Amino acid sequence: QVTLKESGPVLVKPTETLTLTCTVSGFSLSYPRMGVSWIRQPPGKALEWLAHIFSNDEKSYSTSLKSRLTITKDTSKSQVVLTMTNMDPVDTATYYCARTQREYYYDSSGYYYAWGQGTLVTVSS
Amino acid sequence: DIVLTQSPDSLTVSLGERATINCKSSQTVLHSSNNKNYLAWYQQKPGQPPKLLIYWASTRESGVPDRFSGSGSGTDFTLTISSLQAEDVAVYYCQQYYSTPPITFGQGTRLEIK
Repeated sequence: QVTLKESGPVLVKPTETLTLTCTVSGFSLSYPRMGVSWIRQPPGKALEWLAHIFSNDEKSYSTSLKSRLTITKDTSKSQVVLTMTNMDPVDTATYYCARTQREYYYDSSGYYYAWGQGTLVTVSS
Repeated sequence: DIVLTQSPDSLTVSLGERATINCKSSQTVLHSSNNKNYLAWYQQKPGQPPKLLIYWASTRESGVPDRFSGSGSGTDFTLTISSLQAEDVAVYYCQQYYSTPPITFGQGTRLEIK
């Protein structure tokens, strides 16, 4: 059974750095063409893609947030970590990790067929 | 970036009636190499993560009731619920995975019961 679970702080202060961990089970982060993304959702608002990392360590970031984001993976721990610097109250959101897969070698990404439950992060002093 | 615009923003439908949600892309998401449309649909209920309903624009995910169907090609897509059930109340999102980064989602359509 494929599962993803997000963990991290519930509350961060403005200007602090947020570190979130996605721990996966039921699959390996080394599976060919497999990827994990971070996606966030402010309260009452739409989904916003942040970043992804694939099994070959290829990474991509949201254009608007690229300077603040870093995504890494530790295959041995089955974890994907997202750091976001200089947090602001507008970054208050539920943060999800989700699994995707490139079905064709020329694909840049895929759809999300497994999601974590999400973790609500509030940015406030 | 590819922009996805859903319509309507909200929809009220009677039980047993058809619900139709549209998703328009600012660019084609039809890949010439495989003739597939790189578009997915998700359902999100309150307090839950999104759930994949449809991928490749019209392929139903395993376990999704057959009252859900997807159609369209190129830049215009539709999610149809043929006979609305009470448990279908949710927000629905389309997503493109043709041109990334970034992955983009529509703004969502809220579906309620009349």
